[in-house]
Amino acid sequence: GAGVSQSPRYKVTKRGQDVALRCDPISGHVSLYWYRQALGQGPEFLTYFNYEAQQDKSGLPNDRFSAERPEGSISTLTIQRTEQRDSAMYRCASSLASLASGSSSYNEQFFGPGTRLTVL
Amino acid sequence: KQEVTQIPAALSVPEGENLVLNCSFTDSAIYNLQWFRQDPGKGLTSLLLIQSSQREQTSGRLNASLDKSSGRSTLYIAASQPGDSATYLCAVIDSGGSNYKLTFGKGTLLTVNP
Repeated sequence: GAGVSQSPRYKVTKRGQDVALRCDPISGHVSLYWYRQALGQGPEFLTYFNYEAQQDKSGLPNDRFSAERPEGSISTLTIQRTEQRDSAMYRCASSLASLASGSSSYNEQFFGPGTRLTVL
Repeated sequence: KQEVTQIPAALSVPEGENLVLNCSFTDSAIYNLQWFRQDPGKGLTSLLLIQSSQREQTSGRLNASLDKSSGRSTLYIAASQPGDSATYLCAVIDSGGSNYKLTFGKGTLLTVNP
């Protein structure tokens, strides 16, 4: 079946503009995660959803960043009034579930191709 | 705060060589550890997931081991091929309240020369 998809793959915007990044998880996956990856670094956690509920947004850098998953499937990460420091690869992942259920596959996270955001 | 370190940062080997990538983590209270492969312009591909109760996992030419008490994992790649060239990332999920977020290392850039 299809994996995690993200759109757009590349986004170039001017400082001060708002951007919306979309993530379409694997069908049936309950949990969805957003990460941000700077060049030469590993991804860093931003936020996490179980179904439509945002369970943890502690990784969002500031209040310009927000995320939603209104119907428990597709998620949108929105960055308002973008700044040059927001330039990074934004990665989305999904998993069947996020808590231990006795199976190693339940919380294995599968990543999409990412959205490369460049703020000029 | 959990910190994950990967050594070496970069590795170049001739085709056919066996190799080991290292990953260490500061807090041994982990739920599981996952190895990923990252190719330019593509997403992260999950290679192996090891639960905290397991010692190793194998998939084809890949073998990952976990020593939770010492905070270490290794990824062994047998008979390396040019197609194995990529960045390899190690990540852990802590067993505390945040047992969902992956904490990543910076990765090891592997180049396998034909």
